[in-house]
Parts: sequence; structure tokens; C-alpha cells
Amino acid sequence: DGGITQSPKYLFRKEGQNVTLSCEQNLNHDAMYWYRQDPGQGLRLIYYSQIVNDFQKGDIAEGYSVSREKKESFPLTVTSAQKNPTAFYLCASSMGPKLGQPQHFGDGTRLSIL
Amino acid sequence: GENVEQHPSTLSVQEGDSAVIKCTYSDSASNYFPWYKQELGKRPQLIIDIRSNVGEKKDQRIAVTLNKTAKHFSLHITETQPEDSAVYFCAANRVRNQGGKLIFGQGTELSVKP
Repeated sequence: DGGITQSPKYLFRKEGQNVTLSCEQNLNHDAMYWYRQDPGQGLRLIYYSQIVNDFQKGDIAEGYSVSREKKESFPLTVTSAQKNPTAFYLCASSMGPKLGQPQHFGDGTRLSIL
Repeated sequence: GENVEQHPSTLSVQEGDSAVIKCTYSDSASNYFPWYKQELGKRPQLIIDIRSNVGEKKDQRIAVTLNKTAKHFSLHITETQPEDSAVYFCAANRVRNQGGKLIFGQGTELSVKP
């Protein structure tokens, strides 16, 4: 979906470093999500936000942080506390917290440890 | 907690044959069930979804069936083509106090051999 832009496409993290993944959407969606995808596994929810200035932890929030200062933007920071950050990170958005809304995904960011 | 089980994890079919992927969910209150297709290194894309008020939905060669009593739903692809080769994910929405969130299955890697 061209309306969700993730950057960078590839990112390398040094030990002890925090890195931030960008997610921007122009779909006017209220809700935004961050998922982590590891080989052979499904998508696991890290954080989600149903409205500006509000966000909630997902299933695997430890070692990650987010902010939602603007409707269009939902950046994810992978902190040094996340000891196994190598994964494919996907951002998604949906129209809102209403039940039964499809989520649309960005192209993802592949994070590796140097 | 709520979960979604998906089977099989891998599926290989000959071009022209049918493919069936099955999912079960645990939250009886779930009422929205999307299916996503993810090609290697790319974003998951919504291919079809079904809501709990219908038992079946069809879109050209793709169909989804839902059995609410048994908490099963399945993806059916007929007349498979090599371009159908991808990883397919099912999902169910979380309802209780968590509207909008999806739980994903582990994925099925479909290979269509010419």
C-alpha cells in the first residue's frame, strides 16, 4: 500500500545503541501498529496506537518504545535493552479502533546487529 | 491468552490443483478474519477477509469459509498458479477490550510447482 512508508529499508545496530524506525502514513488512519516478524513465525505485536498521543503495549513491548505525536507518524525505537533485535519490522495502519477493520502494511525495515 | 493456530506450515501443490489452509481461533468473540499473502521480502497484502455474519466469501479463485461453532476458518485457492507461491497468514481480531488488534497465525508457505 503506497500510503504507508517505512524507512530505512535496512538498518544496522551496534551494541548498546538505540535506533529508530520511521513509519509515516497518508491514509488518514487513526490506528497504527508495529509488528516484529522472525523467520518461521507469524507477526507479533510490539506496540499499537488507536489515537494521537496514546499508545499501548502489545505482546512483546520489552526493549522497544514508541511515540504518537502526529496522526501520520508512529516511530519505533529499538533500545539497547532489546538483546535480540535482528528481525523484519512491519508497520501497519487501520481506519480506527472499530472492530473488523483491515490493516494495511508498509514495506518493512530489516534490522541487523553489527 | 487468545491464539490462532494455522496448518499446514508448508504446502506444495501442482499448478492447477487446489490448495486449502486451515486456521482455528480461541476467542469466541472474534468476528473478523482476514487473510494476508506475503511474497519473499515484501509486505503482507490483504487478499480476502470475512466477518462472522457470513459463512463463506468468494473472490475469483480465492474463497474463505468460516465455522463459528467450531471456531475454524479456511482459505481455498483453486486453479493454483506459480504466482500464488508465497506465505499466507490468517488472523482473527481481539474483541474484549482490544478492538482493532489482530492475532496472526504462524503462516503457511505455499509452493506451486509448474
